[in-house]
Amino acid sequence: DAGVIQSPRHEVTEMGQEVTLRCKPISGHNSLFWYRQTMMRGLELLIYFNNNVPIDDSGMPEDRFSAKMPNASFSTLKIQPSEPRDSAVYFCASSLDLLNEQFFGPGTRLTVL
Amino acid sequence: TQLLEQSPQFLSIQEGENLTVYCNSSSVFSSLQWYRQEPGEGPVLLVTVVTGGEVKKLKRLTFQFGDARKDSSLHITAAQPGDIGLYLCAGDANGNQFYFGTGTSLTVIP
Repeated sequence: DAGVIQSPRHEVTEMGQEVTLRCKPISGHNSLFWYRQTMMRGLELLIYFNNNVPIDDSGMPEDRFSAKMPNASFSTLKIQPSEPRDSAVYFCASSLDLLNEQFFGPGTRLTVL
Repeated sequence: TQLLEQSPQFLSIQEGENLTVYCNSSSVFSSLQWYRQEPGEGPVLLVTVVTGGEVKKLKRLTFQFGDARKDSSLHITAAQPGDIGLYLCAGDANGNQFYFGTGTSLTVIP
């Protein structure tokens, strides 16, 4: 298996633009997690899905952030409009179920100018 | 407020030295995981501990879960440059998700 796949690996955009991050979980995994990592705040859980259904989105910082999982093999995290303080590394992770080992993707480094 | 506090936040030691990092909380965890994140990559699971007082060894790494299941430690013997990275603990406190700690960033000087 190729592991969790994220795209793009790097994204540089200007403030106010829409940003869409993509994730393909490991086949057969039922749970998917989106995290944001910064030096100041560490690794923050934004939202997680189980069987394609959002379970907890309390970590989503504000309404500018949204996430979808239209099927078991694809999820997106969208920021609209983006702001400089959104600059971070965004990780997607998947696991067999909510309490099993999480397998992380390589991350997307987002820079908002 | 962080559910899991890790200490120290940063640690720089000489190759060959021993070190211990800590993961503490006021909450009781059903299980606790340790992950290691190398620069530019995502975290990778090292171990899961589930029983109070449990000790697990992974080569030069020793993990211990506190008797009360509120804390954990990671001890590395004879640190190597290949041990560098961010060490993260993650605890299951409510049965439906893991909460990640603040992390300890380890540097090993050759």
